[in-house]
This record gives sequence, C-alpha cells and structure tokens, in this order.
Amino acid sequence: KQEVTQIPAALSVPEGENLVLNCSFTDSAIYNLQWFRQDPGKGLTSLLLIQSSQREQTSGRLNASLDKSSGRSTLYIAASQPGDSATYLCAAPSEGQAGTALIFGKGTTLSVSS
Amino acid sequence: GAVVSQHPSRVICKSGTSVKIECRSLDFQATTMFWYRQFPKQSLMLMATSNEGSKATYEQGVEKDKFLINHASLTLSTLTVTSAHPEDSSFYICSARTSQGVLALHFGNGTRLTVT
Repeated sequence: KQEVTQIPAALSVPEGENLVLNCSFTDSAIYNLQWFRQDPGKGLTSLLLIQSSQREQTSGRLNASLDKSSGRSTLYIAASQPGDSATYLCAAPSEGQAGTALIFGKGTTLSVSS
Repeated sequence: GAVVSQHPSRVICKSGTSVKIECRSLDFQATTMFWYRQFPKQSLMLMATSNEGSKATYEQGVEKDKFLINHASLTLSTLTVTSAHPEDSSFYICSARTSQGVLALHFGNGTRLTVT
C-alpha cells in the first residue's frame, strides 16, 4: 500500500532564502505526483503535477522534481516570501492506475519571516 | 476548468443530528469521487471512494453506516454524517477525478464540521 513521507515536518526561514521540501513514496509505480499548498483552515491549492514520464515541472518560483526509481520528489522554492508561509502537501496515487485516490504525506509547514 | 464545488463550507450541528455535505463537479463529469477527512494538524486521510451508480468503497476503520455516501449522478456526490458526535468534528474534503485529458484529481474547498 502506498505510503508518503515528507520531511521536514516544519521549516522556518528568513525571507529570500531558497529551500527544498522532500517527499518520498513507497510504491514507485505511480502515474503522477502532485504537490499542494494548504493555508490554515482552508482547502487545497494544486501547485504542480508531475507525470511519471517527466522529471520536473516548474511554475514561477516553484520547481518540483520526480525520481521514480528512488521513490522521491522534491519541491524547490526560490527566493521565499512571507506569502509562501503555508503547509505543503505531497500526494501520490494509491495505485499505479491513473486517477486513483491520492495518498497524502503529513506535510511540511513552512514559515517565512520578513 | 475542472472546478469542484463543495457545500456547505462550514456547519455547526448538535450531537445526534445528521449533516449532509455536497460535492459537485461543475464543468466535467466525474465517475469517481473521493472523500477525505482531516483532523487538526493532521494530513488528509482517505475515507471512501464513490463511484457513480454503485456503492461506495470505504477505507478500513471508516464506518459505512455512519458516513453515508451517495453518488447518484456524474456531477454530484453527497456525504451524510449520521448521528454526529463531537469526535466527528473535522474538515471534510471531496475530490473528483477527470476522465479525459490529464487524469488529475481536483479538490473542493472543504467543509468544516463542528459537532457540539
């Protein structure tokens, strides 16, 4: 059964720093992997979706990589800003089939100070 | 595109009553929808998989008689929390799977349920 682990659980950085959030998953036969952002008390905002055939995806200051063979994904945030403060969730499909339920990690709570 | 609407966003109910939460895919048909629950400072936990026109599949430890799921159409799934108790207070989020193009899951904004 798919398990997703995220480290660190929490991270505090000063504004302007570049940072990396880590995600690992146990079943590497995934179709894709998604990164989400969740603000306190709010729903999910999809940040990046990486297909299994891709190695990375970029959106603005965010870059996500995927290494299926090692069961790892990273989310790189460049030039962090206080507005980036949120919980970042990594999610992988529960099964190898496309569109199955997503299994979430426990998230990394990021705090960016000004 | 691919918008999922969840209603209500927040509900407070008394212990012993039932609460219905709706999840709609606004601009696409969703043969499969998923229901998640999130307790404070915890991650999202899959509760059940809802397939249009058939019975939902529940994850281990989730009481099917307490959390009734109905997926009567390709755009609507409902979750009814029956005889709610304070321990059912949580954040419930639905997601719907697109059947064409990129097979991603799209999430509703969640429902904050508080049982007093």
